[in-house]
Amino acid sequence: GAVVSQHPSRVICKSGTSVKIECRSLDFQATTMFWYRQFPKQSLMLMATSNEGSKATYEQGVEKDKFLINHASLTLSTLTVTSAHPEDSSFYICSAPRGQTGELFFGEGSRLTVL
Amino acid sequence: DAKTTQPNSMESNEEEPVHLPCNHSTISGTDYIHWYRQLPSQGPEYVIHGLTSNVNNRMASLAIAEDRKSSTLILHRATLRDAAVYYCILSEYNNDMRFGAGTRLTVKP
Repeated sequence: GAVVSQHPSRVICKSGTSVKIECRSLDFQATTMFWYRQFPKQSLMLMATSNEGSKATYEQGVEKDKFLINHASLTLSTLTVTSAHPEDSSFYICSAPRGQTGELFFGEGSRLTVL
Repeated sequence: DAKTTQPNSMESNEEEPVHLPCNHSTISGTDYIHWYRQLPSQGPEYVIHGLTSNVNNRMASLAIAEDRKSSTLILHRATLRDAAVYYCILSEYNNDMRFGAGTRLTVKP
């Protein structure tokens, strides 16, 4: 079964509103989680690294004030897309490493559509 | 960041083996070679990873060149469910993973 879960799987919102996406590690603690964005027919793009108890590390070109990341517990990281615009419509995916297996577990993804 | 080069697409027949190549000539000594695959509208799924030695698991085998500048993911008997985009990624252990374009594998019945 899934070890990393995302919610919601699909969300539609109006332009200018904010949307929160949750990423949970189900049976393990994750001090680090990664957030990706994927546009249709493109590869995943790393947006930021979420660190439990500290600020997230954002990739170059990703606006930290627009994509707010909170990693308040060892099993939950949230990504909030603030003042969403149609160009923010995308597939957002989180992931977390479990232990020292070298394996990264991905969530099911959240498809955001901004009208 | 160390880069990987993969063919854009490959085709295979069902029940036949598939060899997916990956070139990574700038790999560093601490980089692991990871393979993930992504089915449509899903998050990526771990396939296999290795450092220097060849690796086998229930899903696939990973053959790593002696100089580590290339590797090959081997699916021993392709099924229709193996149709996906396969990503070869270099990363230090559990470090952030940056995806390239990957190889889109089509499996024909």
